[in-house]
This record gives sequence, structure tokens and C-alpha cells, in this order.
Amino acid sequence: SQQGEEDPQALSIQEGENATMNCSYKTSINNLQWYRQNSGRGLVHLILIRSNEREKHSGRLRVTLDTSKKSSSLLITASRAADTASYFCATGRLGGGGAQKLVFGQGTRLTINP
Amino acid sequence: GAVVSQHPSRVICKSGTSVKIECRSLDFQATTMFWYRQFPKQSLMLMATSNEGSKATYEQGVEKDKFLINHASLTLSTLTVTSAHPEDSSFYICSARVQRGDEKLFFGSGTQLSVL
Repeated sequence: SQQGEEDPQALSIQEGENATMNCSYKTSINNLQWYRQNSGRGLVHLILIRSNEREKHSGRLRVTLDTSKKSSSLLITASRAADTASYFCATGRLGGGGAQKLVFGQGTRLTINP
Repeated sequence: GAVVSQHPSRVICKSGTSVKIECRSLDFQATTMFWYRQFPKQSLMLMATSNEGSKATYEQGVEKDKFLINHASLTLSTLTVTSAHPEDSSFYICSARVQRGDEKLFFGSGTQLSVL
């Protein structure tokens, strides 16, 4: 079963507005990551936040992590049409052979309207 | 950045045939690769962890005889869908870490499998 649950499932906003997506998880984590997926393509890593961090920035991206609430949010500021994609949070677990595996949330489909 | 190449990007096959999907790390050696499956508008489901030189570790509910994984070299992992059926139609994506202990993954561009 998937670790994370994201909301909203779909978000449509106007270009220039800010987009906020949320992710909740159930178990303890070492880190939480956000990925982006364009339709029919692979995923691209956006940002990683560790369990001892509360906030992290990368360009127009801002990620927060609240381990007490087991939740994270991804904020994209000054959105652009090119930001249209699906966004997934992912948390790490130990998998087969001792390798850490990532378990992905359900994703938020973001549409930026020009 | 690290590049993971996945081929083919799209394949259509008849029911009962087998399909092989390749995943290559182009500029790094990947001791571990991961295979995911994704249904339309849904999340990625981890199928198996592919370890170079050893057997793959499959997630619960994934049939290892159905989805054969071979990781024969440090730059290549293959997923073979054997005796494919229409319910196997899906988007399959591979991923890899650049170094053991790295936490982020680099993904291939995915393979859309359609079984008629």
C-alpha cells in the first residue's frame, strides 16, 4: 500500500498564482522527497527534506515538514504554464537486500492555466 | 545529472507473448535499480528491487515468475513480462541511485505496455 496521501488530488490555478500541495504519511521517516512527473514520462527529483529539517527552499519551490503531524507541503510560487504536471511525495523505507526503497503518495495533478 | 535510459518507450504486443524492457544507467554504475508500475492517473507501485549479481526482491503480491528481472551488469537491468495479458497493460518505470546510500532516485522515461 502507498505510504503517502496527497491532497488535493487535482489543482487548477491561473498562471502567476501560488500552488500548494500537501502530503501526509503514516510511519516514521528519515526524509521526505518531492518528485514531478510530466504526462507519460518518468519522474524528476525536485527536493529532499530530512526529518530534522522544517523548511527547505529551491528556486520557486518551498517545502515544509511537520513530523509531529506527519505531513509535508510543497509550495510553488509564481506558477508558470510549464509547471503543469503531477507532483508526488515519497518516503523512504528499507527494502530488499537492505536497499532503501521509496514509496510514493497518490500525487497531485497540477494544471496551470495561461 | 545522472541519466537513466529506458527502452522501449512504447510497446504493443499480442496476448501470450513476452516483452522485455531495458533500463540502463548511462553515466554511472547502479548496483540497485527499482521497477515501478503505474496505472493511469495513479501513483507508482514498487514492483521489485533489482540487485546487480543477485536475485531481485519482489514486493508482496508481485508474481516473480510473471515479471522476470535480471540485473546482469552494473549498468543494465531488464524486466520481462512473460505471457502478457491485457491486465498487464500499464506504464512501467525503472529508477536507480547513483551511489549506495543516496536517497534520491533518477528515473527512466517509462515504457507504456499495451497488450491486445
